[in-house]
Amino acid sequence: DQQVKQNSPSLSVQEGRISILNCDYTNSMFDYFLWYKKYPAEGPTFLISISSIKDKNEDGRFTVFLNKSAKHLSLHIVPSQPGDSAVYFCAAKGSNFGNEKLTFGTGTRLTIIP
Amino acid sequence: ETGVTQTPRHLVMGMTNKKSLKCEQHLGHNAMYWYKQSAKKPLELMFVYNFKEQTENNSVPSRFSPECPNSSHLFLHLHTLQPEDSALYLCASSPRLAGGPNEQFFGPGTRLTVL
Repeated sequence: DQQVKQNSPSLSVQEGRISILNCDYTNSMFDYFLWYKKYPAEGPTFLISISSIKDKNEDGRFTVFLNKSAKHLSLHIVPSQPGDSAVYFCAAKGSNFGNEKLTFGTGTRLTIIP
Repeated sequence: ETGVTQTPRHLVMGMTNKKSLKCEQHLGHNAMYWYKQSAKKPLELMFVYNFKEQTENNSVPSRFSPECPNSSHLFLHLHTLQPEDSALYLCASSPRLAGGPNEQFFGPGTRLTVL
């Protein structure tokens, strides 16, 4: 039973346009949501996170939106750049001390077309 | 060296071999993790260590044996593996187990192939 789902395995976006990556979750006990980016032959790198008490968090070109009632979050990248081509993972965790398990989605491969 | 390093980067082993994966973090963190990523599956947490003590074993078969001699080093000892254990094994670290988003820093992974 996959608690974090990324239903789009791949996405292609023109350079300069907005990239929107989506993630759905089923566990209402999740309190934190994170996005990671992964290049080939490298480990995932942290991008941005959001707490369940917020509905938006912005960091430069990256914005994460959380719709808690729909159990849905999205990552917006604007403007998209060629270096953004990578696999993006959505992850979620609870807030209990000691419960540090990150539950990951299967990832979305983003390709930015020059 | 900076960040989280893992050796070897690639490993091919037979089912009767014994091998070890090594992870080292240069970030001054106190929590370390092993993850497994199989093809077309999400990253799956295997073990968590906090201040050298194992705090989570995610129902991992005993043919995988972790060791954490200090907060900077983490090993995964492998013996009598099965072909289905072939995967990318990722190590990660974080400052400590303290609730919150607990951003984790990942190494590049070891690509393991079991013949």
